[in-house]
Amino acid sequence: EVHLVESGGGLVQPGGSLGLSCTASGFIFSNYAMSWVRRAPGKGLEWVSAISGSGGDTYYPDSVKGRFSISRDNSQNILYLQMNSLRAEDTAVYYCAKEVYDSGSLFLDYWGQGTLVTVSS
Amino acid sequence: SYELTQPLSVSVALGQTARITCGGNNIGSKTVHWYQQRPGRAPVLVIYKNYNRPSGIPERFSGSNSGNTATLTISSAQAGDEADYHCQVWDISSAWVFGGGTKLTVL
Repeated sequence: EVHLVESGGGLVQPGGSLGLSCTASGFIFSNYAMSWVRRAPGKGLEWVSAISGSGGDTYYPDSVKGRFSISRDNSQNILYLQMNSLRAEDTAVYYCAKEVYDSGSLFLDYWGQGTLVTVSS
Repeated sequence: SYELTQPLSVSVALGQTARITCGGNNIGSKTVHWYQQRPGRAPVLVIYKNYNRPSGIPERFSGSNSGNTATLTISSAQAGDEADYHCQVWDISSAWVFGGGTKLTVL
C-alpha cells in the first residue's frame, strides 16, 4: 500500500526559510516523478514543484521559481522541498503526491496527508 | 496560461445526481482528472483521463469531457460525498493546472 508522510511544517516569519520532507513507502520510489502541491486557506489547489524519478529534472511555476527547491534521496525514499524568502501568500497546507504519466497526460494518484506552513510575523 | 473555471458551490438533494463542471478553452482536446477533498483530508483521485475510475471509487462517480466543458457526475449522492472537488489538466505548455475547486453540499 502506498504511503506518503509529510513533515517539517510550522510557523515562520516573512523572509524566512523552511524545509519540508515527504517519506514514501509501498512503491519503487525512484521509478516515479513526484510533486508538491499546496492549498492556501479559502483557495484551490496549486502545483508548486515537480521532480523526475532520477532527480535530474526539476520544474517550478513562476510563483515560486528562484525561492523553492525540490530534491529527492532515492536511497532513503524521501522527497524534499526547501522554501526560502517565504511570503505571507505561501501560507498553505503542503502535500506531496506521486505522479502518473499516461497517454500524454500527468495526474497524481496518491497524496500525503499534508503539512501546514504558516508565514506570519 | 491555461485556466480552468469551476463553480464555487453545488448543492444536491440526498440520493439525487450532482454535476460539477470544469470550463476551459477547448478543454475537450485535453485530458481531465478529478480529485475529491473532504474537510481536513488529503485529495483523493476519483476520475482520471476524463472518465476512468481508480480501483475503490464507486461506480456512482463518472466523468465526461467535450467542447469547452468537462463534467464530474455523482449519481445517488450520499452524505459522505460532501467535499471539495478539483479538476486538473496537464500539458507541455501550461504544466499543471487546477480549477478553483467546487464545494459539494448534500442536502
